[in-house]
Amino acid sequence: DTAVSQTPKYLVTQMGNDKSIKCEQNLGHDTMYWYKQDSKKFLKIMFSYNNKELIINETVPNRFSPKSPDKAHLNLHINSLELGDSAVYFCASSQDLRGQGLANTEAFFGQGTRLTVV
Amino acid sequence: RKEVEQDPGPFNVPEGATVAFNCTYSNSASQSFFWYRQDCRKEPKLLMSVYSSGNEDGRFTAQLNRASQYISLLIRDSKLSDSATYLCVVSFSNDYKLSFGAGTTVTVRA
Repeated sequence: DTAVSQTPKYLVTQMGNDKSIKCEQNLGHDTMYWYKQDSKKFLKIMFSYNNKELIINETVPNRFSPKSPDKAHLNLHINSLELGDSAVYFCASSQDLRGQGLANTEAFFGQGTRLTVV
Repeated sequence: RKEVEQDPGPFNVPEGATVAFNCTYSNSASQSFFWYRQDCRKEPKLLMSVYSSGNEDGRFTAQLNRASQYISLLIRDSKLSDSATYLCVVSFSNDYKLSFGAGTTVTVRA
């Protein structure tokens, strides 16, 4: 049973289109993330949500709009896709222990969505 | 300056060899440290957390040097299956993100 699942796994689309990537976690975690991994393999945080609230928006263009309908889901909608958006997008989740004075915990990642904009 | 910097490698080593590499972080307030492993075209997975006193997990040993702000990973008796990209990760206790290094590529050859 997959802990963090995201769909689709592959997405090929034309410039200017709008697309969505869905993510669900069944770990009961409070915090979910979207990361982007570019062609140089560098993983960069895009968004972080805690209990459905947006916590981090790391200077991502507003063409990218995350939505968290509940703690277990964090979807990513991208408007007007550009060539530079081509990358692998990873969803992840972790348990929030900050209320217990503990530091960040292990993050579990989905399999990734390989987005190619042509 | 990037938050987390790693020697990109690649490190090409024969089976049975020992390989070690470092990672430096810029923010002295960093609280949590991890090594993740990422196989080609796969998602990152936690290899081990890194504790202040240093810790070992089988053939893997991680060290943390807060004074010099670096973390190291040592792999003993390398196996072919150790071939992967190793990602250094740091975070702050009140921050809702993990900051990744660009990764160190290790290739173990027969």
